[in-house]
Amino acid sequence: GAVVSQHPSWVICKSGTSVKIECRSLDFQATTMFWYRQFPKQSLMLMATSNEGSKATYEQGVEKDKFLINHASLTLSTLTVTSAHPEDSSFYICSGGESDEKLFFGSGTQLSVL
Amino acid sequence: KQEVTQIPAALSVPEGENLVLNCSFTDSAIYNLQWFRQDPGKGLTSLLLIQSSQREQTSGRLNASLDKSSGRSTLYIAASQPGDSATYLCAVKSGNTGKLIFGQGTTLQVKP
Repeated sequence: GAVVSQHPSWVICKSGTSVKIECRSLDFQATTMFWYRQFPKQSLMLMATSNEGSKATYEQGVEKDKFLINHASLTLSTLTVTSAHPEDSSFYICSGGESDEKLFFGSGTQLSVL
Repeated sequence: KQEVTQIPAALSVPEGENLVLNCSFTDSAIYNLQWFRQDPGKGLTSLLLIQSSQREQTSGRLNASLDKSSGRSTLYIAASQPGDSATYLCAVKSGNTGKLIFGQGTTLQVKP
């Protein structure tokens, strides 16, 4: 099946720094990539939808200036958490697919902001 | 606004038992419904996908049913094994975009 490679798996950073998370579709072209966030003991919440070559669409309550999404190619989408704070500590995960029928998820990134 | 609820939040069973996980959704106008498995600190693995026109899907020891009119889906796991221990998530797609609405998950522990 299709593979979505997500890096890094985990990252620890100081408050105020920026962190970039990458998601690559290895054997398919992802026109659209979805970014989710998961807090402990909670479900995945969609943050934004990134479309190759255009601006991302953010869900209500998600700050677009804080969570920068770039989808410059059909195989790479990145999420940058700018000026990270402890409340941004969470599990971030991307998903994409060749069609809307079945999406494949990355392995996730555990972000801890000190 | 679509809301997805999973019951129970946690479940512990002895090895070999058959079990049922429940998922309900508030808006019956769905495109499809998926069941995922998530291991601690890991990504999601898609288990079964049921289209809105289908009633059930089967894969090995797993069987998922869908009743759109009542807004319910069940995941049946036969002859449970310790390796089945994980969090199971159901997710609904309401439109023809890839956007998924997830339930809170059921954390399953199968004791040897």
